[in-house]
This record gives sequence, structure tokens and C-alpha cells, in this order.
Amino acid sequence: QVQLVQSGVEVKKPGASVKVSCKASGYTFTSYSVSWMRQAPGQGLEWMGWVRGHNADTNYAQKFQGRVTVTTDSSTSTAYMELRSLRSDDSAVYYCARLGIAVTIQAHFDIWGQGTMVTVSS
Amino acid sequence: QTVVTQEPSFSVSPGGTVTLTCGLSSGSVSTRYYPSWYQQTPGQAPRTLIYSTNTRSSGVPDRFSGSILGNKAALTITGAQADDESNYYCVLYMGSGIWVFGGGTKLTVL
Repeated sequence: QVQLVQSGVEVKKPGASVKVSCKASGYTFTSYSVSWMRQAPGQGLEWMGWVRGHNADTNYAQKFQGRVTVTTDSSTSTAYMELRSLRSDDSAVYYCARLGIAVTIQAHFDIWGQGTMVTVSS
Repeated sequence: QTVVTQEPSFSVSPGGTVTLTCGLSSGSVSTRYYPSWYQQTPGQAPRTLIYSTNTRSSGVPDRFSGSILGNKAALTITGAQADDESNYYCVLYMGSGIWVFGGGTKLTVL
């Protein structure tokens, strides 16, 4: 079936980087995009950025510009989200979700990964 | 920066009808924002309910419906059930490849 499976729990120190993976299966990876969101404990969802599966074009929320990089490996149907210079307030569950290759085709997140908890603590 | 607004909390009686809204701090929501709605229970990933304003995602009961009401997107639950008690998030496409989530509405069914 169509699914996104994310990598496991991460514990990092302040100032470090984290790279979370999101492996797609059950569909043609290059026909869709992948978006990344996060959710701090007890808080709402926050959109971070997205990457197109066919050409790796990216867009990021202004808040994360310069600190986040989203990439893909089409040979393994995997998307990655790397967040650098981690702070304690980056502690959150990070989600990937499938998006259309273009907004006019599909502008919503239809398949979600299970989430990856990232804890930033000294 | 534009903020997407949602009611922080709402309550509805079992069998009742409730309408949650999704607005903009500046301006009106229209279909060109492709409003979508997601349901999330604690500890779970979000579930897609409604997309492109009013299209139900596969498997979503028809008691959930989406619309534009005035200058906001709206999610209406008709005949609320106990397991509808969840957090509900809207998200709007702001153009230029940017999406923004609302702060979410905690719905209580009692």
C-alpha cells in the first residue's frame, strides 16, 4: 500500500544537526512531492518546506530558510530533511507527507509518515 | 507575515452540528488558497479529511463537509460522534510554494 516510513527517534545536543529520512513505497516517487512539517510538544503543526520528487526543486518557510535542507534520493524513493544549528525549541515530532508534483494537481498532504521525534538537549 | 486563524477550542453535543473556521489575519480565504483540513488525535499522525475546499478524502464519513463561509474556510461536522473529539487543523496554500497551518481547534464532544 501507499505509505511513508520515517526514520527513528533522534537525540541531539544544541548546535548539532539532524537528518530525518522518509521512505516512500506503493507509488511512483518522482510523480509526487514531499513536504515536511513539525509539531512541538502540546503545540500545533508547522509547515517547514517541500521538495519535488522529479527535479528536487525546493521551497522553505521563511522561518527555516538557511537552516533546513530537504533533499531526495529517487533511486531509493527517499526524502530527507536536515535541520542544522539545533536549539532546544527544535524539539518536536517531525512529519513528512506526500504532496502533488504541482499545486494545480494536488495541493494537499494526502499520505503522512508516522513521525520522528527529535529531542534537543544538553 | 500572514497568520492563519482558527478557534482554539470548541465543544459540541453528541449528534449536534459544529462549524470550525479557518481565516486569515489579513484578507479573505477563497478557493485559490486550496484549503484543506486534517484531524489529529494525541500521539497520532494527522489524517486528511477535506481538500480543495470541499472534497472529502477517501474513507472520510459524509458527516464531514468543507466550504467557504463568508471570508473563511469552514469545516462542518453534522451529527458529531464521540470519536470526533480531536484536534483539527486547516492549512492554506499562500502561493509561491508556501503553505501555512492554522493553530488548530481542539474539539470536545460532550
